[in-house]
Amino acid sequence: EIVLTQSPATLSLSPGERATLSCRASQSISNYLVWYQQKPGQAPRLLIYDTSNRATGIPARFSGSGSGTDFTLTISSLEPEDFAVYYCQQRSVWPLTFGGGTKVEIK
Amino acid sequence: QVQLVESGGGVVQPGRSLRLSCAASGFPFRSYAMHWVRQAPGKGLQWVAVIRYDGSDKYYADSVKGRFTISRDNSKSTLYLEMNSLRVEDTAVYYCAREKASSVLSDAVDVWGQGTLVTVSS
Repeated sequence: EIVLTQSPATLSLSPGERATLSCRASQSISNYLVWYQQKPGQAPRLLIYDTSNRATGIPARFSGSGSGTDFTLTISSLEPEDFAVYYCQQRSVWPLTFGGGTKVEIK
Repeated sequence: QVQLVESGGGVVQPGRSLRLSCAASGFPFRSYAMHWVRQAPGKGLQWVAVIRYDGSDKYYADSVKGRFTISRDNSKSTLYLEMNSLRVEDTAVYYCAREKASSVLSDAVDVWGQGTLVTVSS
């Protein structure tokens, strides 16, 4: 199965700062990379699909890039509601797999 | 509005069985592939299984293959997960989720239920 490695595990930043989250796949997944956000006690929320497409209602400060094995989620200027855990997922090959997550916490 | 409501979770002994249900409303259930995703306490997300909109294709995580069965009843707009030979490591919140696009398989999921907790313990 494809292993997704997210880094860093924790990102400590202040509101207004830029966040850069990484997701690396163990083999090429083309552009079939998805990002989800999860807050404590809540279900995940779809942010970005197929590397760079924002889901409905997702603010423009969220953007995704990459291809093949290396992908990035960027939050251009952190808002208070953005502090959460972010997961990447590949939908290229069965079984689908998630990365271990990156927690974005308030510094 | 679009809604998914899971039920059937609880405490069960290792080796026993449990069936989860997910009632869908607010969208044409029969047109969408559906997934189960789980999350152990304090851990990350783990994909469990998917079923095509018409039930013709199913895929499973290696860790549950042969023990779990995903199914659906489109006439009742309900998704199921039959879990047999449960293990302590199956303890998790189980979410059902709907794919973003209709009539496909393996799309991103954009609608999630609130989850149901399954605890496997003696």
